[in-house]
Amino acid sequence: EVQLVESGGGLVEPGGSLRLSCAASGFTFSSYGMNWVRQAPGKGLEWVSAISSYTSYADSVKGRFTISRDNAKNSLYLQMNSLRAADTAVYYCARGKLDGMDLWGQGTTVTVSS
Amino acid sequence: QSVLTQPPSVSAAPGQKVTISCSGSSSNIGGNYLSWYQQLPGTAPKLLIYENNKRPSGIPDRFSGSKSGTSATLGITGLQTGDEADYYCAAWDNSLSAGVFGGGTKLTVL
Repeated sequence: EVQLVESGGGLVEPGGSLRLSCAASGFTFSSYGMNWVRQAPGKGLEWVSAISSYTSYADSVKGRFTISRDNAKNSLYLQMNSLRAADTAVYYCARGKLDGMDLWGQGTTVTVSS
Repeated sequence: QSVLTQPPSVSAAPGQKVTISCSGSSSNIGGNYLSWYQQLPGTAPKLLIYENNKRPSGIPDRFSGSKSGTSATLGITGLQTGDEADYYCAAWDNSLSAGVFGGGTKLTVL
């Protein structure tokens, strides 16, 4: 089955770190660019980061978050450091580029609170 | 404040047609492809339209997309109660070197 499954979310204190994972299956993972998109409670979608032949980040996370991938493990990662309350959100991984992200995971919830 | 501007809400009766606008600039919509996503309550977003006006397999032709200059429109005909959802536009922004979403539009089928 073609799918993306996120994991690694949880409760973390402000200033803490968390590493999200996204496991891909059913397709040739290495052939696709990948993204992280988040959604704060009751808010809209916010693009966070992408990786293809290069990496890119939203200004809100630049310098704090790092996107990476392991094609041998069909996995996408998001290392999140110096977490803030404003980073509280459901984090989705999504396949493709901004002209059409055609496969999304179910999301993993990150809560930053003391 | 989102880089792409959408109306917060739209509504129409079952069977009717509705359009949702998405306004941007030359650095995003004007210079790149646009995509549209549907997010039903409590679920992950789903791709509705890619590359401005193309529908993925499985998306009914009731959904259509168009783009002109720095604006785009999502059209939905034959509205059904199951279409009640939040709809988002998205594009790459060359000036920001980042992806951008619209703020989202809540569709109510009265």
